[in-house]
Amino acid sequence: QSALTQPRSVSGSPGQSLTISCTGASSDVGAYIYVSWFQQHPGKAPKLMLYDVTKRPSGVPDRFSGSKSGNTASLTISGLQAEDEADYYCCSYAGSVSVFGGGTKVTVL
Amino acid sequence: EVLLVESGGGLVQPGGSLRLSCAASGFSFSIYAMHWVRQAPGKGLEYVSGITKEGTTHYMDSLKGTFVISRDNPKNTLYLQMDYLRVEDMAVYYCVRGIGWPQFGDYWGQGALVTVSS
Repeated sequence: QSALTQPRSVSGSPGQSLTISCTGASSDVGAYIYVSWFQQHPGKAPKLMLYDVTKRPSGVPDRFSGSKSGNTASLTISGLQAEDEADYYCCSYAGSVSVFGGGTKVTVL
Repeated sequence: EVLLVESGGGLVQPGGSLRLSCAASGFSFSIYAMHWVRQAPGKGLEYVSGITKEGTTHYMDSLKGTFVISRDNPKNTLYLQMDYLRVEDMAVYYCVRGIGWPQFGDYWGQGALVTVSS
């Protein structure tokens, strides 16, 4: 149950698009559609942004989208906004339990 | 309104025990899987344990034999019994609702802080 690999930080200007990668293995990301993404603002509980790779819960803007290829999943934020500045975590099912990525800090310049 | 309210956190010495509770309301608790996720101070999220609606339990490998997840459906309550606590177990523990199995995360509690220190 090794952690998934995410870049520690990414940044972009308002209105731009940015993509966060999440690299796992053939036993987790590569094996299942059960990849999700969470957004966490400081001092707050995480918020589900995507699940089953591409599905958005009610209330999540369609600026957030997901994809997966092989052992790597990605979260893309289009039309970056100031309120998108937060930590983002990917998560994948690994056959018995789930495993998280180390988290990516998104900075809006 | 869906609410998950954790309780039972606090200060415990290494080797000690604590039991966390999560009171659920606003949904049919018995038909949902439930999970515990933790976050050490200044660190990332870590999956701890999950329990299906049928009561099947799953644990992170390193916690097998020390933590026990359980549920009381008539009381709409999720539990996490934590024994042999180590300094590395110090974290905020979140109660999280499942989305079928194994997905989770549409609702989170506010978290319960567990401090392990002598």
